[in-house]
Amino acid sequence: RKEVEQDPGPFNVPEGATVAFNCTYSNSASQSFFWYRQDCRKEPKLLMSVYSSGNEDGRFTAQLNRASQYISLLIRDSKLSDSATYLCVVKSPRVNYGGSQGNLIFGKGTKLSVKP
Amino acid sequence: DGGITQSPKYLFRKEGQNVTLSCEQNLNHDAMYWYRQDPGQGLRLIYYSQIVNDFQKGDIAEGYSVSREKKESFPLTVTSAQKNPTAFYLCASTRGAANTGELFFGEGSRLTVL
Repeated sequence: RKEVEQDPGPFNVPEGATVAFNCTYSNSASQSFFWYRQDCRKEPKLLMSVYSSGNEDGRFTAQLNRASQYISLLIRDSKLSDSATYLCVVKSPRVNYGGSQGNLIFGKGTKLSVKP
Repeated sequence: DGGITQSPKYLFRKEGQNVTLSCEQNLNHDAMYWYRQDPGQGLRLIYYSQIVNDFQKGDIAEGYSVSREKKESFPLTVTSAQKNPTAFYLCASTRGAANTGELFFGEGSRLTVL
């Protein structure tokens, strides 16, 4: 099983639609979870951290299910400007990196295209 | 405005040549990182540095070298020993030495080997 796995998409949705992405991770000792957004040929930018109780930021809702080892991102009322690739990122302990460092494992990303 | 500046944005290199990618930050961040991104792939960690004059190998350090002589600067050299150097290279930083997961990225350098 890959360390962090995402459906690559693309997800093609109309404006106003609700879309959900899932991400699974293999290391049950993983500590922290994040969603990053990456526009075409640009650098990734942090969208939101994912907290155990779930969290919301405007139209975006992130949830964590530790028992099943998956993270989700829900986007409501999609906008054209939401078109991007969404990267699932998991911080996992790695012996050779030391306790304070951990390692960020990036998923390959899920591409979203919102159409008029 | 504070941020991370990478240069050059685009670079072409002949096989067998070394090339150095610049990364400068004025965020006063302690830790800096180099990642590589290939089409359809997740970012992979090349090297990281938590403090000046110290750096550690990441998952794919072979064929690369770095230095951290100043807090603001973390240049990456892609040597001729790197078998597949064509990629998008991203420099990042975090506030503290420990990686909280909140990375700030530069705009990237796109290297093509001819």
